[in-house]
Amino acid sequence: QKEVEQNSGPLSVPEGAIASLNCTYSDRGSQSFFWYRQYSGKSPELIMFIYSNGDKEDGRFTAQLNKASQYVSLLIRDSQPSDSATYLCAVNLYSSASKIIFGSGTRLSIRP
Amino acid sequence: DAMVIQNPRYQVTQFGKPVTLSCSQTLNHNVMYWYQQKSSQAPKLLFHYYDKDFNNEADTPDNFQSRRPNTSFCFLDIRSPGLGDAAMYLCATSREYTGYEQYFGPGTRLTVT
Repeated sequence: QKEVEQNSGPLSVPEGAIASLNCTYSDRGSQSFFWYRQYSGKSPELIMFIYSNGDKEDGRFTAQLNKASQYVSLLIRDSQPSDSATYLCAVNLYSSASKIIFGSGTRLSIRP
Repeated sequence: DAMVIQNPRYQVTQFGKPVTLSCSQTLNHNVMYWYQQKSSQAPKLLFHYYDKDFNNEADTPDNFQSRRPNTSFCFLDIRSPGLGDAAMYLCATSREYTGYEQYFGPGTRLTVT
């Protein structure tokens, strides 16, 4: 089992709809969770981080964390074509506290 | 603005010719990371530093070396680049190891001919 798993996609969502991106992780003791957006040929850009169970909202983005299920998700409301990118889930694993482990990313495509 | 800067943005080198990539930060973060990222893959951690305390990932090839002469600067040296080393190289910083997010520089795209 990979330490951080994401569906590679592509996930195609109509403009204006909600995009839902999911991530699972293996280490139950993990404490810090991050979502990065990466456009093709560019570096990752941090868009959300979450440390506590529940929801965290920032503009059109909501991160959801369920530590019991070892599951973290990102919701993007009112999806725009500019949201088309690869979304990387990253976890500061309890077993590897000095680094964060990235999932392989989900490619999101917003269709007009 | 405080940021992470990488130079050059694009680097072309010949097979076997040493190359150095640089990273600087104005965030005054303790931790600096070097990642290698190939197309459609997750960033792969090569090294990380806490201040000058160096940590090498077990599967980082010996061909890759790193230096951090001070808090602000970090270098990645590839002693004898092979075709398989063509990739995007990403530098990132973090205030501490745990509980803090990483901020990435724009990356250096390395081409090996």
